[in-house]
Amino acid sequence: GAVVSQHPSWVICKSGTSVKIECRSLDFQATTMFWYRQFPKQSLMLMATSNEGSKATYEQGVEKDKFLINHASLTLSTLTVTSAHPEDSSFYICSARDQGAGGFGETQYFGPGTRLLVL
Amino acid sequence: GENVEQHPSTLSVQEGDSAVIKCTYSDSASNYFPWYKQELGKGPQLIIDIRSNVGEKKDQRIAVTLNKTAKHFSLHITETQPEDSAVYFCAASPNSGYALNFGKGTSLLVTP
Repeated sequence: GAVVSQHPSWVICKSGTSVKIECRSLDFQATTMFWYRQFPKQSLMLMATSNEGSKATYEQGVEKDKFLINHASLTLSTLTVTSAHPEDSSFYICSARDQGAGGFGETQYFGPGTRLLVL
Repeated sequence: GENVEQHPSTLSVQEGDSAVIKCTYSDSASNYFPWYKQELGKGPQLIIDIRSNVGEKKDQRIAVTLNKTAKHFSLHITETQPEDSAVYFCAASPNSGYALNFGKGTSLLVTP
């Protein structure tokens, strides 16, 4: 199946700093990628939809100035957590929509996740 | 918006038995229903999906059934193995939106 990678897999940072997380589709092109956040023992919550070449669409309650998303190419989307605080500590997961032949077009493949700890 | 309910939240079965997880959705426009398996500390892995023009789909020990009239769909795992132990999430999505709405997850434990 399609492969999505994330980097880094985990990061520890000090409060007030910014952290960038990369999401790459390795063997397919993705015009649309999604960013989710998952707290321990909870489900995935959609944060934003990242569209290549255009602005991201944020879910209600997600601050677009705090969570900056850039989808600069068909295989890369980045999420930057700006001025991180301890409450931003979470598991961040991206997914990419594979529109290629053989899939439904809506099939989302997830990355392995990035665990962020803000001290 | 779409609301996906998933039951049970935890499920414990003995190796070799079957496991069934059920989900309901609220938005009649939803027509794509994937199931994901998530192991501890990892991202969700797609295990099977189904579209609304199909009532059932099977892939080896895994099957999904869909009742569009009743707005519910179920995951069936037969001959369970300890490595099936994980958290399983159902999701629903309409064509136009593409974003997935997830259920709260089911923690499945398969005991030897």
